[in-house]
Amino acid sequence: SQQGEEDPQALSIQEGENATMNCSYKTSINNLQWYRQNSGRGLVHLILIRSNEREKHSGRLRVTLDTSKKSSSLLITASRAADTASYFCATGVGNQFYFGTGTSLTVIP
Amino acid sequence: EAGVVQSPRYKIIEKKQPVAFWCNPISGHNTLYWYLQNLGQGPELLIRYENEEAVDDSQLPKDRFSAERLKGVDSTLKIQPAELGDSAVYLCASSTWDWPGEQFFGPGTRLTVL
Repeated sequence: SQQGEEDPQALSIQEGENATMNCSYKTSINNLQWYRQNSGRGLVHLILIRSNEREKHSGRLRVTLDTSKKSSSLLITASRAADTASYFCATGVGNQFYFGTGTSLTVIP
Repeated sequence: EAGVVQSPRYKIIEKKQPVAFWCNPISGHNTLYWYLQNLGQGPELLIRYENEEAVDDSQLPKDRFSAERLKGVDSTLKIQPAELGDSAVYLCASSTWDWPGEQFFGPGTRLTVL
């Protein structure tokens, strides 16, 4: 399967702390995207990183990509209660995307 | 700008009954996707349209699932007959021609098959 796997499956932190979640995949990719899903809602695009990029920032989000290790990480700094959601990586292979299993993040006020 | 619209939001049916889901993508988005999402899992692609053409339906169980996108805008996904294992959330997403592109997701239809 080309589906990515997120780690950890669940993460619980205090408000203000940083949250880091990881995504590992099996095959070469063209790009990788991160999405957020609030309970009972659709997915919302957060950030895209191409295979020739190593790091990208967007507000409180920092994404890294290590193609040699076939892994990516998403860092959310200064977390807020509103960041509570599930986070998915989606690996772009050819013209297809494959979503991972997700990390459930709980930010405790 | 309106987002991706899906209806119904919830559907409960008996097994062996037919069911249909409707999706209206964001205006101007040529690419439309249908995903299936099981509880605690990520979305899995069922079918992808470029305008009215289904360019990737390799994961669509064609014995019971069908989809159409008439005039390259709205799309309908149908299951006939539904099975217990079809209980899941069915997500619709759309994007522009740009590749790789950000996909905009609808809220999904939660299907329960009894």
